[in-house]
Amino acid sequence: GENVEQHPSTLSVQEGDSAVIKCTYSDSASNYFPWYKQELGKGPQLIIDIRSNVGEKKDQRIAVTLNKTAKHFSLHITETQPEDSAVYFCAASTNTGNQFYFGTGTSLTVIP
Amino acid sequence: KAGVTQTPRYLIKTRGQQVTLSCSPISGHRSVSWYQQTPGQGLQFLFEYFSETQRNKGNFPGRFSGRQFSNSRSEMNVSTLELGDSALYLCASSLLGQGSYEQYFGPGTRLTVT
Repeated sequence: GENVEQHPSTLSVQEGDSAVIKCTYSDSASNYFPWYKQELGKGPQLIIDIRSNVGEKKDQRIAVTLNKTAKHFSLHITETQPEDSAVYFCAASTNTGNQFYFGTGTSLTVIP
Repeated sequence: KAGVTQTPRYLIKTRGQQVTLSCSPISGHRSVSWYQQTPGQGLQFLFEYFSETQRNKGNFPGRFSGRQFSNSRSEMNVSTLELGDSALYLCASSLLGQGSYEQYFGPGTRLTVT
């Protein structure tokens, strides 16, 4: 089955700096890659996603890049703010989309 | 539009008991997936239902079961609870099978087994 690895497990940045979280996947059949943000006491919230026919996608301060050849994708957060502090999860899914494999999460702390 | 709701939010059970958790998906979503989240194992897929049929199942023992009703609401049941079943159980709904992969999670049910 699919194996998704996520790095780093913890990340601290100064407010205003950029943060980058990286994930790799093993199954070349995976073609949908969402990113989730989970705040304390809440369920994961979908923040951005990308499909395998696209190399990059942006939404304001958040961007995701995908390298299908290398089987890795990354989340980029620019101009970080304290409210960006949370745990971020990457995930991968195949064409059927009915089973998602998650990375182990990155705890991001933005220091004011 | 209301989000995914899960009840109860917190539950304390004793080892050996059984428990039923409920999930109401976003209106119009027919796919419901269940996940177990623990600090050690992260988010692990339990099963996915679409139009009352289980389409996929993760690597969990048979003590974990689920079902989906005609209104797309779903329940999961864990029988003969073990201490290791203590976790946050998350439900996610989506338009999978209806043209979209996006999954939306509920707040989860925190199950503690003593």
